[in-house]
Amino acid sequence: EVQLVESGGGLIQPGGSLRLSCAASGFAVSGHYMSWVRQAPGKGLEWVSIIYSAGTTYYADSVQGRFTISRDKSKNTLYLQINSLRAEDTAVYYCARVHLWHMDVWGKGTTVTVSS
Amino acid sequence: DIQMTQSPSSLSASVGDRVTITCQASQDISNYLNWYQQKPGKAPKLLLYDASNLETGVPSRFSGSGSGTNFTFTISSLQPEDIATYYCQQYDNLPLTFGPGTKVDIK
Repeated sequence: EVQLVESGGGLIQPGGSLRLSCAASGFAVSGHYMSWVRQAPGKGLEWVSIIYSAGTTYYADSVQGRFTISRDKSKNTLYLQINSLRAEDTAVYYCARVHLWHMDVWGKGTTVTVSS
Repeated sequence: DIQMTQSPSSLSASVGDRVTITCQASQDISNYLNWYQQKPGKAPKLLLYDASNLETGVPSRFSGSGSGTNFTFTISSLQPEDIATYYCQQYDNLPLTFGPGTKVDIK
């Protein structure tokens, strides 16, 4: 079964760091484009980052320089390293497989809360 | 960045009604548009891709049309399980951008 499972969220103080993980099953993360999308409480969907199968990465302006997307082929896992956290980074973070530019498989999300 | 707008922001309709949502892009995006459904507390789900193609397993009461800057999403006969927020999303250019969403509920 094709599946994505996120983990790593939690309560973190402003300025802190966190690494989110997205474990895939049923397909190879390294063979697909993969993306992170977040949703602040009560708000809409916001694209965060993408990694191409060739390894090229792109970020939303709001996270550029603070977030890093990566993957581990041996663990079939996608990551999002998030640094210098701000209150406005509080959100549910979803990972998604991007197939021909549509996000066809989504995880259930992991919640990041930035608060002192 | 390409800005996406949706209307209405919310609607209430009866079971069996035809429901239409519009999505507008700030520039020509050809047919590079997806539609997602998000039920409360759940992850988004892909319904339509390339503006009008139904994702495998999605009921045929869902449909989409449009190209350029104006797009339409339709539920031909609203069902109770369709209560959700619907988002359009463009992929003509990075950053990928979503519309603000349309919340659909039952009257």
